[in-house]
Amino acid sequence: AQSVTQPDIHITVSEGASLELRCNYSYGATPYLFWYVQSPGQGLQLLLKYFSGDTLVQGIKGFEAEFKRSQSSFNLRKPSVHWSDAAEYFCAVGSVGGYSTLTFGKGTMLLVSP
Amino acid sequence: DTGVSQDPRHKITKRGQNVTFRCDPISEHNRLYWYRQTLGQGPEFLTYFQNEAQLEKSRLLSDRFSAERPKGSFSTLEIQRTEQGDSAMYLCASMGGTSGNSQETQYFGPGTRLLVL
Repeated sequence: AQSVTQPDIHITVSEGASLELRCNYSYGATPYLFWYVQSPGQGLQLLLKYFSGDTLVQGIKGFEAEFKRSQSSFNLRKPSVHWSDAAEYFCAVGSVGGYSTLTFGKGTMLLVSP
Repeated sequence: DTGVSQDPRHKITKRGQNVTFRCDPISEHNRLYWYRQTLGQGPEFLTYFQNEAQLEKSRLLSDRFSAERPKGSFSTLEIQRTEQGDSAMYLCASMGGTSGNSQETQYFGPGTRLLVL
């Protein structure tokens, strides 16, 4: 069965500093990988996705993520964090073929300090 | 607004009551998903529709839960005899394409937050 681990429950970053959120997955083949962001009381917004090809993917709001097969990781990065980036971030793996259901990690809450 | 919409956004009910939530997907999307998100957790898959057919149900979907998508457009999720453990955010997502084509994106609605007293 597929699974996703986000080892950090909370992360605090100073505004303007760089950010890396960790994500490790378990899947039997090359997975489809996603990062979503959720603001308080809101639904999920897609930041970026990886299906195949270039392992460094660019997303919205200046985010990027790198797929590393050898480490089963798909870490999210941003070079300079803004206060508006404070939210909860979810990594997800999608089933290849079939019904494309998503399996999510437990999320990482990002706090941005002034 | 052409995104996924859900109604109501919030629902407070007493234990034992029935509740029904509605999801309107993006109009051209034929695939629809329901997820449940409890506090401190990521969303968990509940059920999947392609057009009007319910093709997959999670074991999380007990017999008190039922979902429909009668005309392949909007969907409803009903919980009968609610329990306090049903308190959660219920998220709906829609996706274009067909089963077997996974290189698509699920677009999520704002969710319905349910509180069972």
